Amino acid sequence: NAGVTQTPKFRVLKTGQSMTLLCAQDMNHEYMYWYRQDPGMGLRLIHYSVGEGTTAKGEVPDGYNVSRLKKQNFLLGLESAAPSQTSVYFCASSKDRGKAEAFFGQGTRLTVV
Amino acid sequence: AQTVTQSQPEMSVQEAETVTLSCTYDTSESDYYLFWYKQPPSRQMILVIRQEAYKQQNATENRFSVNFQKAAKSFSLKISDSQLGDAAMYFCAYRSAGTDKLIFGTGTRLQVFP
Repeated sequence: NAGVTQTPKFRVLKTGQSMTLLCAQDMNHEYMYWYRQDPGMGLRLIHYSVGEGTTAKGEVPDGYNVSRLKKQNFLLGLESAAPSQTSVYFCASSKDRGKAEAFFGQGTRLTVV
Repeated sequence: AQTVTQSQPEMSVQEAETVTLSCTYDTSESDYYLFWYKQPPSRQMILVIRQEAYKQQNATENRFSVNFQKAAKSFSLKISDSQLGDAAMYFCAYRSAGTDKLIFGTGTRLQVFP
């Protein structure tokens, strides 16, 4: 029972490099979310998806792109990493709308030097 | 745009005592959902309690209860009989019924002293 799995768990990037974070869920959930967590800032929503093939912008979308080609996967891309993108990234998914619980991955710690 | 505000960066409570964590939110919507999540040092996010905005009755889950004041846009969490295992970061969250956007506050770090 894997739930929500994020890959990788840790990564160090150089400024200007690109990378993709993968979020995979095996619960057949419709809704998926990407957040970043920074000290004193809480969790800020980057992008989210309400179903396969759909994406929408969250609170802090600049510098990130996403894709939801398959229902179970939600990819977060950094085209040209910047030190300001150093953060812990969380993916979450939920089955339904409304009061449905969001299930979170274990987080990815990304450092951009 | 909706916002969630947690004005207490840190709180502390003695074991077996009661503590209340504050949360306010701003929205023009009438239909939405509110949550409290707990994040222990393991970083795993755990749902504590949830509330539908259309329900007047405050939600309760064992030692955890909320005080939901819709007109004041306030959603506080009360933890009764605090335990050492309650020590964690607590996040208040808002979910729009219209857009399904799920946004969080900045969190309150709760310390529990024996």
